[in-house]
Amino acid sequence: GAVVSQHPSWVICKSGTSVKIECRSLDFQATTMFWYRQFPKQSLMLMATSNEGSKATYEQGVEKDKFLINHASLTLSTLTVTSAHPEDSSFYICSAPGTGATEAFFGQGTRLTVV
Amino acid sequence: GQNIDQPTEMTATEGAIVQINCTYQTSGFNGLFWYQQHAGEAPTFLSYNVLDGLEEKGRFSSFLSRSKGYSYLLLKELQMKDSASYLCAVKDSNYQLIWGAGTKLIIKP
Repeated sequence: GAVVSQHPSWVICKSGTSVKIECRSLDFQATTMFWYRQFPKQSLMLMATSNEGSKATYEQGVEKDKFLINHASLTLSTLTVTSAHPEDSSFYICSAPGTGATEAFFGQGTRLTVV
Repeated sequence: GQNIDQPTEMTATEGAIVQINCTYQTSGFNGLFWYQQHAGEAPTFLSYNVLDGLEEKGRFSSFLSRSKGYSYLLLKELQMKDSASYLCAVKDSNYQLIWGAGTKLIIKP
């Protein structure tokens, strides 16, 4: 099956700094990538949808200036958390959608801790 | 609005059978997925239903009734490694996945 590689798997950063998370589609071209955030004991919450070559679409309540998404190529989408705060600490996961009956392909997830 | 409901937590005994229910109300329907998620890991695909009926895959089976907006995941011969969260997700008319909150399954010896 298709593989999505996400890095880093975990990161600790200081408040006020920025963190970049990368998701690469290794054996297929992903024109779309979903970015999710998951707080402990909660479900996946869609933050934004990145589209290759165009602006990302953000879900209501997600600050686009804080969570910068870039999808410059068919194999790479990045999420940058800018001016991180402790409340941004969460599990971030990217996913490339499957078509029709195909399941979504998930990255391994990134555990972000802001101290 | 769109809504998917599943129990928050369930407990079962090793070797037994457990059924996790999921009800949904979405704008359109293009299939229902079940995923397993261990803490701190990405979800892994378990099953897909788009037509009514039962889909069996080894120890796991998934059932769908579109008229009732209802699905269940049946796990047989439970093993300790089955302790995880189980997520129900529906693809809506825009083919976007709508996720349930997940059911935490605790397996006891």
